Amino acid sequence: EDKVVQSPLSLVVHEGDTVTLNCSYEVTNFRSLLWYKQEKKAPTFLFMLTSSGIEKKSGRLSSILDKKELFSILNITATQTGDSAVYLCAVVGQGAQKLVFGQGTRLTINP
Amino acid sequence: GAGVSQSPRYKVAKRGQDVALRCDPISGHVSLFWYQQALGQGPEFLTYFQNEAQLDKSGLPSDRFFAERPEGSVSTLKIQRTQQEDSAVYLCASSLSGTSGQRPGAKNIQYFGAGTRLSVL
Repeated sequence: EDKVVQSPLSLVVHEGDTVTLNCSYEVTNFRSLLWYKQEKKAPTFLFMLTSSGIEKKSGRLSSILDKKELFSILNITATQTGDSAVYLCAVVGQGAQKLVFGQGTRLTINP
Repeated sequence: GAGVSQSPRYKVAKRGQDVALRCDPISGHVSLFWYQQALGQGPEFLTYFQNEAQLDKSGLPSDRFFAERPEGSVSTLKIQRTQQEDSAVYLCASSLSGTSGQRPGAKNIQYFGAGTRLSVL
């Protein structure tokens, strides 16, 4: 059974700090890993990673995948209060379309 | 439309009532997914459509759950004889691509609606 584990489950930091969120997975015939940000509404897409070692970057957010060790990290630098959200990691296996999600990391940025 | 639209946003049902939740995907998106998200948990897959065909319903928790997408666009998730454990946020997502054999790319990204929060009393 495909499985995704995120850590930490909850994180509280001060504005301006840098945070690293972790995602490890077990999936049959890995195809892709996706990161989403969920505030009090729709999860919004951040990154899709398919190849090991290639960093995806968007502004202060970046993510990288290690297919050998079966994990991904999401980095946020110079955090802002607007970064407060639940960050979800999900994987897709070969032959499947569905996303298998982790439990999420609840990130709180205090001013 | 500009994004995935779900209605109603909130639904309160008495135990035993039937409910219907609607999803309007992004125009032109072939694939449509339903997920159930319990409080404090990540979304869990319920079912998947490619156009009007329901290709995977392995996540539906019981035969009280039924989904359809008759014209390959709007989808409805129906829950019969609701129970308290059905209380959750029901998320709908759509993606442009309908194939799983190709190299994953932007066409496979699932875009989510804001969800319907169902409370069963």
